[in-house]
Amino acid sequence: DVKVTQSSRYLVKRTGEKVFLECVQDMDHENMFWYRQDPGLGLRLIYFSYDVKMKEKGDIPEGYSVSREKKERFSLILESASTNQTSMYLCASTRTAGVYNEQFFGPGTRLTVL
Amino acid sequence: AQKITQTQPGMFVQEKEAVTLDCTYDTSDPSYGLFWYKQPSSGEMIFLIYQGSYDQQNATEGRYSLNFQKARKSANLVISASQLGDSAMYFCAMRENNQGGKLIFGQGTELSVKP
Repeated sequence: DVKVTQSSRYLVKRTGEKVFLECVQDMDHENMFWYRQDPGLGLRLIYFSYDVKMKEKGDIPEGYSVSREKKERFSLILESASTNQTSMYLCASTRTAGVYNEQFFGPGTRLTVL
Repeated sequence: AQKITQTQPGMFVQEKEAVTLDCTYDTSDPSYGLFWYKQPSSGEMIFLIYQGSYDQQNATEGRYSLNFQKARKSANLVISASQLGDSAMYFCAMRENNQGGKLIFGQGTELSVKP
């Protein structure tokens, strides 16, 4: 059974804290993604990675950074959390080749920044 | 410009009836894929159905079918015989061949199935 796991389902942090969201996939996928989801806005891409140690900015990278030291793990870092980063964060992975390859998603992390 | 547009923020359907969720897209890439995902209140994203730009026939998966009209750039999801468990958010998404696996998502449609 293929799987994408995320380190926390719910997280509450204070403004200014450094926050780490971890994502692990067991499908040997090359590509991994971090999205945030807000009502009425759908899913917006924060960062993605197409290989170990490689990363590219998505549509809304400001305030975030990422790390991919191993193929199966992709971390999202909020250097100094702010209240406007309260959101649902979704990690996903997929194979590089083929438009027919769907993305597999983790269960999501609901982050609240107080 | 919005690449994926879902114009129905919310929809209601009676149990056992069919419902169509609209999705239009915009791309200049001749090779692309279109996906529908379901997101229940628990939050996980569940892949439902896929349509390729070169596919001649509309995709079907059980009670789900995709009404693909390439010239109109629309990819509407049809759910037949709605069930209470179909109540969820539904997202349309597109993967372009030259974009390295990225998916572009629409805003989503919240479907409520009435008993």
